[in-house]
Amino acid sequence: DTGVSQNPRHKITKRGQNVTFRCDPISEHNRLYWYRQTLGQGPEFLTYFQNEAQLEKSRLLSDRFSAERPKGSFSTLEIQRTEQGDSAMYLCASSRMRDRVDGYTFGSGTRLTVV
Amino acid sequence: SQQGEEDPQALSIQEGENATMNCSYKTSINNLQWYRQNSGRGLVHLILIRSNEREKHSGRLRVTLDTSKKSSSLLITASRAADTASYFCATDEGGTDSWGKLQFGAGTQVVVTP
Repeated sequence: DTGVSQNPRHKITKRGQNVTFRCDPISEHNRLYWYRQTLGQGPEFLTYFQNEAQLEKSRLLSDRFSAERPKGSFSTLEIQRTEQGDSAMYLCASSRMRDRVDGYTFGSGTRLTVV
Repeated sequence: SQQGEEDPQALSIQEGENATMNCSYKTSINNLQWYRQNSGRGLVHLILIRSNEREKHSGRLRVTLDTSKKSSSLLITASRAADTASYFCATDEGGTDSWGKLQFGAGTQVVVTP
């Protein structure tokens, strides 16, 4: 297992288009988190899952954003009708509840540019 | 909204010197974690300190936590050029055994020159 994998690494889209990102967590990790990070800022929480259940969503996650984690494995984050303000790095992380000593393991992120 | 605030925002030091950065937060926490981020990459977990702990060490890293002052510090000793990165504190505000969302600060950008 090589860590948390995010695809694509970069995405350029026109305003108004829909985009979908994928995250493959570490296989034994049952929690999966999505964050958004803009330049010069720390990551902002969007949502997280325990297995397939979405446990919490941020107010940042407007109705244009939806996240799923079918079967508790990989997760997708979809943004509909993209706006220029959606341009950011979207980070996925996973963690294992059992030991909880290692913190989150983050992926390398998907950089979204809305033009 | 971001819970933690790091200080300073930026730090420039020479190799071999120590780097200290601080984090303040507003609410009670379950634990506090420090992460490192190299430019344009994902974050890497460095160390976790629980609310009932006061100090932890990991290699050249030393973290302290003062819950009465709602603050933490990260010390990197004998810094190296490879330590150049942004450092973030993150707080877990959840109840017992939370591991829910983490609230990140805006980070301290550290530059270590040879």
